[in-house]
Amino acid sequence: SQTIHQWPATLVQPVGSPLSLECTVEGTSNPNLYWYRQAAGRGLQLLFYSVGIGQISSEVPQNLSASRPQDRQFILSSKKLLLSDSGFYLCAWRSDRGYGYTFGSGTRLTVV
Amino acid sequence: EDKVVQSPLSLVVHEGDTVTLNCSYEVTNFRSLLWYKQEKKAPTFLFMLTSSGIEKKSGRLSSILDKKELFSILNITATQTGDSAIYLCAVVGGSGGYQKVTFGTGTKLQVIP
Repeated sequence: SQTIHQWPATLVQPVGSPLSLECTVEGTSNPNLYWYRQAAGRGLQLLFYSVGIGQISSEVPQNLSASRPQDRQFILSSKKLLLSDSGFYLCAWRSDRGYGYTFGSGTRLTVV
Repeated sequence: EDKVVQSPLSLVVHEGDTVTLNCSYEVTNFRSLLWYKQEKKAPTFLFMLTSSGIEKKSGRLSSILDKKELFSILNITATQTGDSAIYLCAVVGGSGGYQKVTFGTGTKLQVIP
């Protein structure tokens, strides 16, 4: 069965520090992978999506970047965090079985 | 720009009540509409709707889509405290191999004993 792992679960980082959030998928190959952010009281905002290794598309301009070094690995990064980067970050992959999107457990990032 | 609007933003009901959550949308190349339940962490999948007028049902939850009027509703009957959560509506659009998902802001449901 397919599973998606995301870590860390919580993170407190100072302004200006770097960020690296990792997401891995098991049980499927060549998945479409997504990074979403959920700010407090808001819906999910698509940040990046990837259809394959090295293929990244950005939906919203910001100081974040994403990389896909391996088929089942998706990484969200920043060189210098801003206060506005605080939020709940979710990795997701799209199922072809008609069940929509499957989400990781999320990372709650607080930038202080 | 694709848009998904959910209402109400929040709702407080007593156990046993029936609630209806609304989701309206404007999206290019509509493919499907998804409902999720989000408790403390990641959203969990409830329903995927692609055709108008066909009700999807799972226990006390049901949902229906109206592609002409561009909306969907999620019904929960005989609510329980465990139904307390944020309910997210998402619409999938796009063409070819690329699907774009737009989420609404969610409806926060609180069920009190």
